[in-house]
Formats: sequence, C-alpha cells, structure tokens
Amino acid sequence: QKEVEQNSGPLSVPEGAIASLNCTYSDRGSQSFFWYRQYSGKSPELIMFIYSNGDKEDGRFTAQLNKASQYVSLLIRDSQPSDSATYLCAVAPSGTYKYIFGTGTRLKVLA
Amino acid sequence: KAGVTQTPRYLIKTRGQQVTLSCSPISGHRSVSWYQQTPGQGLQFLFEYFSETQRNKGNFPGRFSGRQFSNSRSEMNVSTLELGDSALYLCASSGGTGSGELFFGEGSRLTVL
Repeated sequence: QKEVEQNSGPLSVPEGAIASLNCTYSDRGSQSFFWYRQYSGKSPELIMFIYSNGDKEDGRFTAQLNKASQYVSLLIRDSQPSDSATYLCAVAPSGTYKYIFGTGTRLKVLA
Repeated sequence: KAGVTQTPRYLIKTRGQQVTLSCSPISGHRSVSWYQQTPGQGLQFLFEYFSETQRNKGNFPGRFSGRQFSNSRSEMNVSTLELGDSALYLCASSGGTGSGELFFGEGSRLTVL
C-alpha cells in the first residue's frame, strides 16, 4: 500500500464547476498536509497547507482534513481553464521535513 | 528575492558515470531537500539537510549522496549511474515562515543513456 494515494485522473470538470480532489494517507502520525499544483514542465508550487481537522478556505480553494479517516481533500470552486494542472498531495510526519507525495491527480477544466 | 536555483538544468550521462547537481536555496532558508520525480513513481524524497547536517533520508541506495555547505547551498551526487536514474531532480528549500512550505527550483533533468 502506498503511503499517500491519489486518483491519477484525469479529472475533467466544466468551467465554473467545483473540482474535488482527494488524498488518503497511511501514517497516522502525520501532522502536516499540503496541496501543491504542478503545471506541465514546471516545478510544484504550494496552494494550501492544513494542520487541523476541518476546513480551511483560501479564495477559491478549500482544504479539508479528517485525521480519523486519514484523508485530505481539496475543493476548487468556480474552476477555470488555468486551473488545469496536476495536483499533488503531500504529507509530513510529525517533526520532520520528510514529505511524502502522492503521484498526483491531473485536473482538466474544460472551457 | 531570488528563488531556488538549480544547475545544470539538463544533462546527459552514460551508464556508469557519476553526476553532481547543485542547488542554491532562497536566501535565509537553511533547510534544503532533494526529490526525484519520474512519471511512474512521482516525487520521491531523497534527503534533507539543515545547517550542513543530513536530518532525514529516503529509501534510495548509497549511490545517492548529498551535502550542504555553510552558505546553505547543497549538492547531490549520484555515482555509477543506471538507466533508471533518468529523472527530474528537484531541490526545495524551506524556512522562516513556520508553515513548512517547500519552495522548489526548476529542477535538473538527467538522462542516462
């Protein structure tokens, strides 16, 4: 079983819709959770991080964390074609910078 | 503020050779991590350095090594290259914000023939 799992996609949504990206992790000791976006041919860039159970909103993005169920999700509201990218979920165990990345979900927003 | 700089951006080597990649972190960042990215495996953690000390290490063979200098610049070395080492090697620096955010460089794309 992979430590961080994501559906590889592609996930296709129409412009203006909500895109829902999910990630599950296996290490219950994980404390920090991150969502990175990676455009083709570019390096990953941080979208959001979340540490506590519940929701965290930043503009059109909402991260949701449920430690009991060991999943973290990212919602993108009012999806735009410019959101088309691969979204990487990353998890860090407590007290380390040893981030474990999922293989990413490719999102396509259709104009 | 300059971002994370990696050199070289592209390189081609043959099996059995060795390679050294360089990374200059964002000014003030003391943590430098290295990742290998391949289409099949995604981003895999190699190692992380902080103040010239390796704090964390991933599950890679001993052919992969690294070091960090007093100015926080870091190098990674791969010896006895294998075809499977062909990948994008990403360096990331972190520090100062408390969020744990990684700032990635553009990467060094290594092709082993």
